[in-house]
Amino acid sequence: KQEVTQIPAALSVPEGENLVLNCSFTDSAIYNLQWFRQDPGKGLTSLLLIQSSQREQTSGRLNASLDKSSGRSTLYIAASQPGDSATYLCAVNITGYSSASKIIFGSGTRLSIRP
Amino acid sequence: ETGVTQSPTHLIKTRGQQVTLRCSSQSGHNTVSWYQQALGQGPQFIFQYYREEENGRGNFPPRFSGLQFPNYSSELNVNALELDDSALYLCASSLHKTSRDTQYFGPGTRLTVL
Repeated sequence: KQEVTQIPAALSVPEGENLVLNCSFTDSAIYNLQWFRQDPGKGLTSLLLIQSSQREQTSGRLNASLDKSSGRSTLYIAASQPGDSATYLCAVNITGYSSASKIIFGSGTRLSIRP
Repeated sequence: ETGVTQSPTHLIKTRGQQVTLRCSSQSGHNTVSWYQQALGQGPQFIFQYYREEENGRGNFPPRFSGLQFPNYSSELNVNALELDDSALYLCASSLHKTSRDTQYFGPGTRLTVL
């Protein structure tokens, strides 16, 4: 059974710092891995999607890496800003589930950037 | 191109009642998946609909049911509501049912059961 774990559950850092969010998954048979951002009470915004054959993806100040063999992914945020404050969710897309595309989410890391 | 929309935005029900949530998929997408997100948790997969048929289901009881219409919009129905059903319900649409396509999420419906 695939399980996705995110550490830490919460993180508070001063503005301007670079930071890393961690995600681990138990079964390496994934199709892709995605990082989402969620603001309080809101839906999900996709940040980066890494296919299983890729090692990393970059978008602006964000960089996500994937090590499928070890079951780990990291989201690196450079030069953090107060507007980055949100919950960040890691999710893996697994195959072989009655041919349905099923996404397994972690519980998220709640990030707070202090001005 | 219109994104995924959900209605209503939020609603309040009492235990034992029934509720219907609606989702309009992104233009051209024939697959809709539903997720339940309890407070402080990640979303949990409920089920997926592909071309009007259920195509996979998570660990949710039969009182959670769904429909998909010919225009690929979808409904999530929950009968005999329980307090633990209080959550944000998210739908996501994709171009195909398989894992190769990205799922695009709607803004969610916040359900409160009293």
